Amino acid sequence: GAVVSQHPSWVICKSGTSVKIECRSLDFQATTMFWYRQFPKQSLMLMATSNEGSKATYEQGVEKDKFLINHASLTLSTLTVTSAHPEDSSFYICSARKGRQYNEKLFFGSGTQLSVL
Amino acid sequence: GEDVEQSLFLSVREGDSSVINCTYTDSSSTYLYWYKQEPGAGLQLLTYIFSNMDMKQDQRLTVLLNKKDKHLSLRIADTQTGDSAIYFCAESGYGIYNQGGKLIFGQGTELSVKP
Repeated sequence: GAVVSQHPSWVICKSGTSVKIECRSLDFQATTMFWYRQFPKQSLMLMATSNEGSKATYEQGVEKDKFLINHASLTLSTLTVTSAHPEDSSFYICSARKGRQYNEKLFFGSGTQLSVL
Repeated sequence: GEDVEQSLFLSVREGDSSVINCTYTDSSSTYLYWYKQEPGAGLQLLTYIFSNMDMKQDQRLTVLLNKKDKHLSLRIADTQTGDSAIYFCAESGYGIYNQGGKLIFGQGTELSVKP
């Protein structure tokens, strides 16, 4: 089956620093990747859609200068939380869409727990 | 805008059936999904149903879709302790070609299975 690897699994950082999270599709090419954020006991909220070779599309209310997304290759997308603050502490999950199939199928990473002190 | 709602908790005994319900508002939803999230892990796609279907069965899982009421349910037969997890329903927010791939998730239902 298709595997999406997300790294790191957890990270603790000081306020004001930047954190990069990687999302890799290991055995397939992902033209589209999605980044979600999940607060405790809440739903997944789509942050942005990342298409290979083009700029990411951000959802309303998501600061694109704070959450930098790069999708430079068909197997790698990165999310950088710049100048992180405690309110950015959350669980971030990426997902990748396999090909351009008619039926939607997404494969999810294992998530990254970010704690900003 | 689009909205997906689920109850937050469900507790059942091992061996019983579990039914997790979900309502959605987007009448143009093409696909509806059920995902399972185990602690600290990503999401696992359990099953999905196309909007022109009423029911889909896959081993212990049965999905029922009432498109008129915009109601989706997931039934797990013979629930086991390993089924304890958070279950998310999701609907695709775009139209039939779904090129955007945007999924709208419910809040998740925490299923607790007691021995």
